[in-house]
Amino acid sequence: DTGVSQNPRHKITKRGQNVTFRCDPISEHNRLYWYRQTLGQGPEFLTYFQNEAQLEKSRLLSDRFSAERPKGSFSTLEIQRTEQGDSAMYLCASSPLAEETQYFGPGTRLLVL
Amino acid sequence: GEDVEQSLFLSVREGDSSVINCTYTDSSSTYLYWYKQEPGAGLQLLTYIFSNMDMKQDQRLTVLLNKKDKHLSLRIADTQTGDSAIYFCAYDPGGSYIPTFGRGTSLIVHP
Repeated sequence: DTGVSQNPRHKITKRGQNVTFRCDPISEHNRLYWYRQTLGQGPEFLTYFQNEAQLEKSRLLSDRFSAERPKGSFSTLEIQRTEQGDSAMYLCASSPLAEETQYFGPGTRLLVL
Repeated sequence: GEDVEQSLFLSVREGDSSVINCTYTDSSSTYLYWYKQEPGAGLQLLTYIFSNMDMKQDQRLTVLLNKKDKHLSLRIADTQTGDSAIYFCAYDPGGSYIPTFGRGTSLIVHP
């Protein structure tokens, strides 16, 4: 399977714990995006990378959210001190430089108790 | 108001055509997209249209763009039960590579 993969697919955690999600983009896709999707809403952009560089992070929801893409391949999204309002689907997408279109992974569903 | 507006629900009979409508606010949009999301899954790109086009056809899918009215539509011909899903309209404001999504239209196809 050469699509975008995300792990874990589901995560249940207690309020106050830290969580980290991983995204593996399609091989050789330079751009990688993170979105949050809550019930009944469309994806909400969080941040994106072009290779290792994080080009837009002003829309990360708070300073509890951070993302990395250290070698320009996979990326991680970390949420520190989780809150119940963080419960959502976290989606990753990737795209090659020459294309506008994005290819989405299956998402990680987070439930904060 | 919302940057992208869509009706929340559409119900059609199997074999009929479905038309899902979307309006957007940003006139600098370069690309406009339609994505499909099945329950519990990520988004699948169905089709897209560049802002200098009026229409694009791809098998059972027809996209119409009225740039003056900032209106985008997706027509699905011969709708099947497998087309039941949520359909998201999205646009890329000014070539930012960061699409803005609507809330999605839930398409229900009944026999």
